[in-house]
Amino acid sequence: GDSVTQMEGPVTLSEEAFLTINCTYTATGYPSLFWYVQYPGEGLQLLLKATKADDKGSNKGFEATYRKETTSFHLEKGSVQVSDSAVYFCALMIKAAGNKLTFGGGTRVLVKP
Amino acid sequence: DTEVTQTPKHLVMGMTNKKSLKCEQHMGHRAMYWYKQKAKKPPELMFVYSYEKLSINESVPSRFSPECPNSSLLNLHLHALQPEDSALYLCASNDGTFGGGSTYNEQFFGPGTRLTVL
Repeated sequence: GDSVTQMEGPVTLSEEAFLTINCTYTATGYPSLFWYVQYPGEGLQLLLKATKADDKGSNKGFEATYRKETTSFHLEKGSVQVSDSAVYFCALMIKAAGNKLTFGGGTRVLVKP
Repeated sequence: DTEVTQTPKHLVMGMTNKKSLKCEQHMGHRAMYWYKQKAKKPPELMFVYSYEKLSINESVPSRFSPECPNSSLLNLHLHALQPEDSALYLCASNDGTFGGGSTYNEQFFGPGTRLTVL
């Protein structure tokens, strides 16, 4: 079946540090890939997305590139802020599978001043 | 309006109570979803409605009963829950034309209802 694996946290960083969260996937079809962010006490917000190989999603200084050859979609940000402290979920969706989202386990990121 | 709203924000109920969670969206989306999220875990899909018809039930116990009265509203009726059902319940929607429409179908999530079963 389809699955998403992402690095376990928590990841603790200082402000202005570089952030990378690894995400790899296995899928029977051709998935769309997403990063969602969940701030404490809130629902999920879409952070960025990519629908085909070599697409780069970007938003709020975060970037991720759809790498079909390595089945990866790693999230990066060059300089994190305290406000980036949250849980980040990598997810895939295959349209033929009823638009079901398959999530990774989530990575908690804590940015300290 | 790109918002999914959920009420109530918090709910505490006893095991013999009957309560309902409500979700609403006005984006014209035709697919709506219920997820259950336990602490420090990703959301788990419970139900999917497409064009107001139940299309996916992920083997959810019958003490959870979904209802889609119209294309903008989604309810989750709760009865005889167990303490282990305590969780954050998330609603989501997308333009979910299965097999058609855009190449991806972003799901928009609501803020959730935090449920505690005593």
